Amino acid sequence: QVQLQESGPGLVKPSETLSLICNVSGGSMSSYYWSWIRQPAGKGLEWIGRIYTSGTTNYSPSLKSRLTLSVDTSKNQFSLKLTSVTAADTAVYYCVRGYYYGSGSALDSWGQGTLVTVSS
Amino acid sequence: DIQMTQSPSSLSASVGDRITFTCRASQSISNYVNWYQQKPGKAPKLLIYAATTLQSGVPSRFSGSGSGTDFTLTITSLQPEDFATYFCQQSYTTPLYTFGQGTKLEIK
Repeated sequence: QVQLQESGPGLVKPSETLSLICNVSGGSMSSYYWSWIRQPAGKGLEWIGRIYTSGTTNYSPSLKSRLTLSVDTSKNQFSLKLTSVTAADTAVYYCVRGYYYGSGSALDSWGQGTLVTVSS
Repeated sequence: DIQMTQSPSSLSASVGDRITFTCRASQSISNYVNWYQQKPGKAPKLLIYAATTLQSGVPSRFSGSGSGTDFTLTITSLQPEDFATYFCQQSYTTPLYTFGQGTKLEIK
């Protein structure tokens, strides 16, 4: 069974870059896409972006100017970089596996999440 | 953007109850709705996809229905482990997913 694990700094200063890595184990990265979702404390879920193993990406329009996703299939990992962070970027960040069932899609495997706080 | 509105935002129920959650989309999205369960401090878990299809391993007391703009998630005979927050999500505009704000199910 696939497992996902986020890693990265828990504290980032305002205006700096938030960097996270997701390690994927127990399964192939092929045939799926790999997403990041975040959740501010006590709030709902926000889709950040996704990447395929080919490197093709899709980004949330609200984050597109600050966001870069990348993938390294040789290491079975994908990563997120979000620049110029503010307190509004404070959240639990999840890495997530997505798949298509016919013409629809769903997010079926989630990492445990990592809290990133933006503060000086 | 498609908005997903869940109601109520919270509800109380007892073990053994039958409970229904509602999710409404701001425009028709066919059956492109998924439901997730999230327990405190944990990641969401996929329960139902394509509005009605039970994800592998999910107990049969969970069921989903709906099409177009109105969707429901039903739990028959609530179990203690079902007390959690439930989110709907639309995949009509994949990859630009949007989620409902969640319904928190609490023990009465």
